[in-house]
Amino acid sequence: NAGVTQTPKFQVLKTGQSMTLQCAQDMNHNSMYWYRQDPGMGLRLIYYSASEGTTDKGEVPNGYNVSRLNKREFSLRLESAAPSQTSVYFCASSTGTIEETQYFGPGTRLLVL
Amino acid sequence: QKEVEQNSGPLSVPEGAIASLNCTYSDRGSQSFFWYRQYSGKSPELIMSIYSNGDKEDGRFTAQLNKASQYVSLLIRDSQPSDSATYLCAVNRDSNYQLIWGAGTKLIIKP
Repeated sequence: NAGVTQTPKFQVLKTGQSMTLQCAQDMNHNSMYWYRQDPGMGLRLIYYSASEGTTDKGEVPNGYNVSRLNKREFSLRLESAAPSQTSVYFCASSTGTIEETQYFGPGTRLLVL
Repeated sequence: QKEVEQNSGPLSVPEGAIASLNCTYSDRGSQSFFWYRQYSGKSPELIMSIYSNGDKEDGRFTAQLNKASQYVSLLIRDSQPSDSATYLCAVNRDSNYQLIWGAGTKLIIKP
Protein backbone atom coordinates (compact mmCIF):
# COMPACT_ATOMS: atom_id res chain seq x y z
CA ASN A 1 0.00 0.00 0.00
CA ALA A 2 2.00 2.98 -1.31
CA GLY A 3 -0.57 5.70 -0.47
CA VAL A 4 -0.07 8.69 -2.77
CA THR A 5 2.83 8.61 -5.23
CA GLN A 6 4.16 11.42 -7.41
CA THR A 7 6.59 11.56 -10.30
CA PRO A 8 9.02 13.08 -10.91
CA LYS A 9 10.58 14.08 -7.58
CA PHE A 10 12.56 16.92 -9.11
CA GLN A 11 12.50 18.69 -12.47
CA VAL A 12 14.28 21.62 -14.09
CA LEU A 13 12.56 23.30 -17.02
CA LYS A 14 13.37 26.19 -19.27
CA THR A 15 10.82 28.96 -19.72
CA GLY A 16 8.26 27.89 -22.31
CA GLN A 17 8.77 24.16 -21.94
CA SER A 18 5.89 21.89 -21.02
CA MET A 19 5.65 18.98 -18.64
CA THR A 20 3.17 16.76 -16.85
CA LEU A 21 3.30 15.88 -13.17
CA GLN A 22 1.85 12.48 -12.38
CA CYS A 23 -0.03 11.44 -9.25
CA ALA A 24 -1.59 8.13 -8.26
CA GLN A 25 -3.30 6.87 -5.11
CA ASP A 26 -4.15 3.35 -4.06
CA MET A 27 -6.52 4.17 -1.18
CA ASN A 28 -9.70 4.10 -3.31
CA HIS A 29 -10.25 7.78 -2.55
CA ASN A 30 -12.83 9.76 -4.48
CA SER A 31 -11.22 13.19 -4.31
CA MET A 32 -7.80 14.30 -5.47
CA TYR A 33 -6.01 17.65 -5.30
CA TRP A 34 -3.04 19.52 -6.67
CA TYR A 35 -1.37 22.16 -4.48
CA ARG A 36 1.64 24.35 -4.78
CA GLN A 37 3.66 25.46 -1.79
CA ASP A 38 5.82 28.55 -1.83
CA PRO A 39 7.84 29.94 1.11
CA GLY A 40 5.62 31.87 3.52
CA MET A 41 2.48 31.21 1.46
CA GLY A 42 1.20 27.92 2.78
CA LEU A 43 -0.52 25.45 0.49
CA ARG A 44 -2.55 26.88 -2.38
CA LEU A 45 -5.02 24.77 -4.29
CA ILE A 46 -4.46 24.68 -8.05
CA TYR A 47 -7.14 22.21 -9.18
CA TYR A 48 -9.13 19.46 -7.57
CA SER A 49 -11.26 16.54 -8.63
CA ALA A 50 -14.14 15.77 -6.32
CA SER A 51 -14.79 12.47 -8.06
CA GLU A 52 -13.78 10.54 -11.14
CA GLY A 53 -14.81 12.45 -14.24
CA THR A 54 -14.94 15.90 -12.64
CA THR A 55 -12.34 18.63 -12.20
CA ASP A 56 -12.62 22.16 -10.84
CA LYS A 57 -10.41 25.18 -10.49
CA GLY A 58 -8.92 26.06 -7.16
CA GLU A 59 -7.33 29.27 -5.96
CA VAL A 60 -4.46 29.51 -8.50
CA PRO A 61 -5.37 27.62 -11.72
CA ASN A 62 -3.84 29.94 -14.33
CA GLY A 63 -1.10 28.29 -16.37
CA TYR A 64 -2.14 24.75 -15.43
CA ASN A 65 -4.42 22.02 -16.72
CA VAL A 66 -5.42 18.73 -15.13
CA SER A 67 -6.74 15.35 -16.14
CA ARG A 68 -8.48 12.83 -13.89
CA LEU A 69 -7.48 9.80 -15.90
CA ASN A 70 -9.36 7.32 -13.69
CA LYS A 71 -10.15 6.97 -10.01
CA ARG A 72 -6.48 6.39 -9.14
CA GLU A 73 -4.68 8.95 -11.28
CA PHE A 74 -4.72 12.75 -11.46
CA SER A 75 -2.17 14.59 -13.58
CA LEU A 76 -1.14 18.25 -13.68
CA ARG A 77 0.17 19.80 -16.90
CA LEU A 78 2.15 22.96 -17.38
CA GLU A 79 1.74 23.92 -21.04
CA SER A 80 4.31 26.74 -21.13
CA ALA A 81 6.34 26.95 -17.95
CA ALA A 82 7.17 30.32 -16.42
CA PRO A 83 9.66 31.19 -13.64
CA SER A 84 6.67 32.09 -11.42
CA GLN A 85 5.74 28.41 -11.47
CA THR A 86 8.91 27.47 -9.62
CA SER A 87 7.52 25.78 -6.54
CA VAL A 88 6.96 22.53 -4.72
CA TYR A 89 3.90 20.70 -6.00
CA PHE A 90 1.94 18.31 -3.82
CA CYS A 91 -0.77 15.91 -4.83
CA ALA A 92 -3.26 14.81 -2.19
CA SER A 93 -6.28 12.56 -1.96
CA SER A 94 -9.21 12.15 0.41
CA THR A 95 -12.42 10.21 0.79
CA GLY A 96 -14.35 13.34 -0.13
CA THR A 97 -16.45 13.46 3.03
CA ILE A 98 -16.88 16.40 5.40
CA GLU A 99 -14.09 15.02 7.56
CA GLU A 100 -11.86 15.69 4.59
CA THR A 101 -8.59 14.28 5.91
CA GLN A 102 -6.15 14.66 3.07
CA TYR A 103 -3.17 12.39 2.45
CA PHE A 104 -0.22 13.82 0.63
CA GLY A 105 2.30 12.53 -1.83
CA PRO A 106 6.03 13.25 -1.39
CA GLY A 107 5.99 16.29 -3.66
CA THR A 108 7.68 17.43 -6.86
CA ARG A 109 10.24 20.22 -6.73
CA LEU A 110 10.05 22.23 -9.95
CA LEU A 111 12.58 24.84 -11.01
CA VAL A 112 11.81 26.96 -14.07
CA LEU A 113 14.75 28.89 -15.44
CA GLN B 1 -7.55 39.46 6.21
CA LYS B 2 -6.33 35.97 5.45
CA GLU B 3 -8.91 33.22 5.77
CA VAL B 4 -6.69 31.14 8.06
CA GLU B 5 -4.03 32.90 10.08
CA GLN B 6 -1.10 31.51 12.02
CA ASN B 7 1.91 33.14 13.61
CA SER B 8 4.81 32.21 11.35
CA GLY B 9 7.26 31.91 14.26
CA PRO B 10 9.70 30.52 14.84
CA LEU B 11 8.35 29.45 18.20
CA SER B 12 11.17 28.20 20.40
CA VAL B 13 10.26 25.89 23.30
CA PRO B 14 12.56 24.04 25.72
CA GLU B 15 12.52 20.27 25.61
CA GLY B 16 9.95 18.86 27.98
CA ALA B 17 7.82 22.02 28.05
CA ILE B 18 4.38 22.59 26.50
CA ALA B 19 4.26 24.05 23.00
CA SER B 20 1.13 26.04 22.18
CA LEU B 21 0.22 26.73 18.55
CA ASN B 22 -2.70 28.93 17.55
CA CYS B 23 -4.81 29.42 14.45
CA THR B 24 -7.72 31.75 13.68
CA TYR B 25 -10.15 31.43 10.79
CA SER B 26 -12.70 33.71 9.15
CA ASP B 27 -15.40 31.37 7.74
CA ARG B 28 -18.02 30.95 10.48
CA GLY B 29 -19.55 28.02 8.63
CA SER B 30 -16.41 25.89 8.81
CA GLN B 31 -16.98 22.50 10.36
CA SER B 32 -13.72 20.58 10.12
CA PHE B 33 -10.36 21.62 11.50
CA PHE B 34 -7.00 19.96 11.06
CA TRP B 35 -3.44 20.19 12.27
CA TYR B 36 -0.73 18.88 9.98
CA ARG B 37 2.97 18.58 10.70
CA GLN B 38 5.52 19.18 7.97
CA TYR B 39 9.20 18.40 8.38
CA SER B 40 11.60 20.36 6.21
CA GLY B 41 11.61 18.99 2.68
CA LYS B 42 8.78 16.56 3.38
CA SER B 43 5.05 16.49 2.77
CA PRO B 44 2.39 17.42 5.35
CA GLU B 45 1.07 14.64 7.56
CA LEU B 46 -2.07 14.73 9.69
CA ILE B 47 -1.58 15.15 13.46
CA MET B 48 -5.07 15.90 14.73
CA SER B 49 -8.56 16.61 13.47
CA ILE B 50 -11.36 18.21 15.48
CA TYR B 51 -14.97 18.87 14.57
CA SER B 52 -16.75 20.06 17.74
CA ASN B 53 -16.08 22.67 20.42
CA GLY B 54 -13.80 21.66 23.26
CA ASP B 55 -10.67 19.60 23.62
CA LYS B 56 -9.56 16.46 21.86
CA GLU B 57 -6.55 14.56 23.17
CA ASP B 58 -4.33 12.06 21.40
CA GLY B 59 -1.19 11.08 23.27
CA ARG B 60 0.95 14.17 23.82
CA PHE B 61 -1.24 16.25 21.48
CA THR B 62 -4.39 18.18 22.40
CA ALA B 63 -6.46 20.12 19.89
CA GLN B 64 -8.78 22.82 21.18
CA LEU B 65 -11.64 24.35 19.20
CA ASN B 66 -13.67 27.45 19.99
CA LYS B 67 -16.10 28.16 17.16
CA ALA B 68 -17.56 31.27 18.83
CA SER B 69 -14.14 32.90 18.87
CA GLN B 70 -13.10 31.23 15.61
CA TYR B 71 -9.86 29.78 16.78
CA VAL B 72 -8.28 26.39 17.01
CA SER B 73 -5.12 25.53 18.89
CA LEU B 74 -2.71 22.64 19.27
CA LEU B 75 -0.90 21.84 22.50
CA ILE B 76 2.11 19.55 22.52
CA ARG B 77 3.05 18.28 25.98
CA ASP B 78 6.50 17.05 26.93
CA SER B 79 7.94 18.54 23.74
CA GLN B 80 10.70 16.54 22.08
CA PRO B 81 13.34 17.65 19.57
CA SER B 82 11.57 15.42 17.05
CA ASP B 83 8.56 17.74 17.31
CA SER B 84 10.58 20.47 15.61
CA ALA B 85 8.71 21.11 12.36
CA THR B 86 6.26 23.48 10.73
CA TYR B 87 2.68 23.02 11.88
CA LEU B 88 -0.07 23.80 9.38
CA CYS B 89 -3.63 24.61 10.34
CA ALA B 90 -6.33 23.72 7.79
CA VAL B 91 -10.03 24.55 7.84
CA ASN B 92 -12.75 23.43 5.46
CA ARG B 93 -14.77 25.96 3.48
CA ASP B 94 -18.42 26.05 4.35
CA SER B 95 -19.43 26.29 0.68
CA ASN B 96 -17.65 23.11 -0.30
CA TYR B 97 -15.31 20.59 1.13
CA GLN B 98 -12.06 22.25 0.11
CA LEU B 99 -9.48 22.98 2.77
CA ILE B 100 -8.03 26.44 3.36
CA TRP B 101 -4.52 26.40 4.76
CA GLY B 102 -2.62 28.67 7.06
CA ALA B 103 0.98 29.50 6.19
CA GLY B 104 2.23 27.46 9.14
CA THR B 105 4.10 28.02 12.39
CA LYS B 106 7.70 26.87 12.63
CA LEU B 107 8.31 25.17 15.97
CA ILE B 108 11.80 24.63 17.36
CA ILE B 109 12.30 22.42 20.41
CA LYS B 110 15.59 23.24 22.11
CA PRO B 111 17.35 20.35 23.93
